[in-house]
Amino acid sequence: DSGVTQTPKHLITATGQRVTLRCSPRSGDLSVYWYQQSLDQGLQFLIQYYNGEERAKGNILERFSAQQFPDLHSELNLSSLELGDSALYFCASSVDGTGYNEQFFGPGTRLTVL
Amino acid sequence: DQQVKQNSPSLSVQEGRISILNCDYTNSMFDYFLWYKKYPAEGPTFLISISSIKDKNEDGRFTVFLNKSAKHLSLHIVPSQPGDSAVYFCAAKGASGGSYIPTFGRGTSLIVHP
Repeated sequence: DSGVTQTPKHLITATGQRVTLRCSPRSGDLSVYWYQQSLDQGLQFLIQYYNGEERAKGNILERFSAQQFPDLHSELNLSSLELGDSALYFCASSVDGTGYNEQFFGPGTRLTVL
Repeated sequence: DQQVKQNSPSLSVQEGRISILNCDYTNSMFDYFLWYKKYPAEGPTFLISISSIKDKNEDGRFTVFLNKSAKHLSLHIVPSQPGDSAVYFCAAKGASGGSYIPTFGRGTSLIVHP
């Protein structure tokens, strides 16, 4: 158990819908990262937040957005969903925002868009 | 454009033998390399890493070798055990735009047969 929690574990929805994925980092970690793993793909970095502020941006679509709240949990919002958005979404946390410290991953949320 | 490549999607090895997982990268700015292990229904967990100033790092049964001139690294597991059966992700970091986020390969699924 990494200490990072993600909810829900599974999500099935239809094209055009909007969903919210939630992540709670390890106790004491200030930085949260979101990754997407599509079929046969590696983990694609989407976005990083550090202590409530956006720190780095990766291959995140405009239809996707995220935020980190004062209690440090983070939410990833996916809207106007398409079939190609079906993937595993992982959240990771680390103690600071430098990227030099180890990232601890949650178990992921499996999103299926029908 | 894949900057970190794991060209073998899968590898099958007999228990007790050596497992060798390979990874190639293209970005010369990468200076830190990591291997993650992932079991089904779990998030990736950090396994071992190596800095670009070294060519070898060992941790128990796991050894990572780095060949900078060839932009190639490998993970050796000796002896392999059935519990090592998992997906292994290679990742690389390099300072880019002020962030130090790992870039992941697509993973190699290792199966160790008893």
